[in-house]
Amino acid sequence: QQQVKQSPQSLIVQKGGISIINCAYENTAFDYFPWYQQFPGKGPALLIAIRPDVSEKKEGRFTISFNKSAKQFSLHIMDSQPGDSATYFCAASNLGGSQGNLIFGKGTKLSVKP
Amino acid sequence: KAGVTQTPRYLIKTRGQQVTLSCSPISGHRSVSWYQQTPGQGLQFLFEYFSETQRNKGNFPGRFSGRQFSNSRSEMNVSTLELGDSALYLCASSLAPGSTDEQYFGPGTRLTVT
Repeated sequence: QQQVKQSPQSLIVQKGGISIINCAYENTAFDYFPWYQQFPGKGPALLIAIRPDVSEKKEGRFTISFNKSAKQFSLHIMDSQPGDSATYFCAASNLGGSQGNLIFGKGTKLSVKP
Repeated sequence: KAGVTQTPRYLIKTRGQQVTLSCSPISGHRSVSWYQQTPGQGLQFLFEYFSETQRNKGNFPGRFSGRQFSNSRSEMNVSTLELGDSALYLCASSLAPGSTDEQYFGPGTRLTVT
């Protein structure tokens, strides 16, 4: 019930291409869905987040698509750049229940080839 | 504004020893959460503190404990270290649990148990 499943485990994209990472969740009490980006030797950094009352949120080249009925959400990175090469984690939490802890997916290692 | 700071950054301990890790949240942030990151299990929630009280706890043995001080700084302690405790320990801070959705992570403390 608490799990967040993320796919793919790894992804190789050419520079300028679109990177797509998918996540699925079971717990319908989740009401906050962030994506984090992590570079080697660094802590995860918040990239973009969405609440279930909207189906899409865009910030620059990064877009979250959210499908409440399917309990799925995805991250799209447009015009992918070598500097985007990192590990991406989706997460979910139940902020409405004052549960601040994040449940993370296993991560996707993205490599953008020049 | 300074980010989340964690000390020490690297630590090597021997099985059976205990260790204390420290986290200073972003100024004004009163909620601190701790996560363990390993290649096999990914990012797993340890516990969350707010106003010096533990609000939430993940599924970890009692050897893992923490506390928060009146200035919101937090420490976590692991007693009787096991090889499997080798991990990156991440601290995240936010304004308050549930009322805000942005958690900011520190760089982590890399613990190696030999």
